[in-house]
Amino acid sequence: KAGVTQTPRYLIKTRGQQVTLSCSPISGHRSVSWYQQTPGQGLQFLFEYFSETQRNKGNFPGRFSGRQFSNSRSEMNVSTLELGDSALYLCASSKGLAGGGFFLTDTQYFGPGTRLTVL
Amino acid sequence: SQQGEEDPQALSIQEGENATMNCSYKTSINNLQWYRQNSGRGLVHLILIRSNEREKHSGRLRVTLDTSKKSSSLLITASRAADTASYFCATADLNSGGYQKVTFGTGTKLQVIP
Repeated sequence: KAGVTQTPRYLIKTRGQQVTLSCSPISGHRSVSWYQQTPGQGLQFLFEYFSETQRNKGNFPGRFSGRQFSNSRSEMNVSTLELGDSALYLCASSKGLAGGGFFLTDTQYFGPGTRLTVL
Repeated sequence: SQQGEEDPQALSIQEGENATMNCSYKTSINNLQWYRQNSGRGLVHLILIRSNEREKHSGRLRVTLDTSKKSSSLLITASRAADTASYFCATADLNSGGYQKVTFGTGTKLQVIP
């Protein structure tokens, strides 16, 4: 089974530009989560999409947005880039299970990440 | 904000020694998971322990969970140079929709010296 893929792997942009990152989940997975990782803030949750709907959202400004397509592929967009947006952006896919209460386990599988540098 | 705080932030040991990392969290959880990340790469899932379990083993990994103290530890026995990586704990709770909400800790950077 192919793993989670992210494109592009590396990206250099300048302040004020916008960027779109792409994530293809593992086949059969319906949930895609996005994380921002920086040395100072660690792994910060951005948002989660499930069946084309945003199901969960972290504390990021509206410049960060995402969407999910019917084939579960997801894109993340950052508009008006700032220097502080330089980070490794990771996406994770999972089955996105719900219900089952205490017995629910839904393991996330991560892609290799997109390294974004904002100059 | 981070749910989990890991301790130590960095750890350097000799190959063959055991490595212990600790994770403390703040709110109730459904399960706790440990992940490994090699430098600048994605995270790899290592092991999951449910809130009603106290200990779990997987190969050279041993995880303990103390829900009364809201803490977990990851022990890597007989470490190898290839274990050099950052290790993260991730707590999972159920939100109102009945699905998992996962929050990652700050991570421990482990260096195993050959």
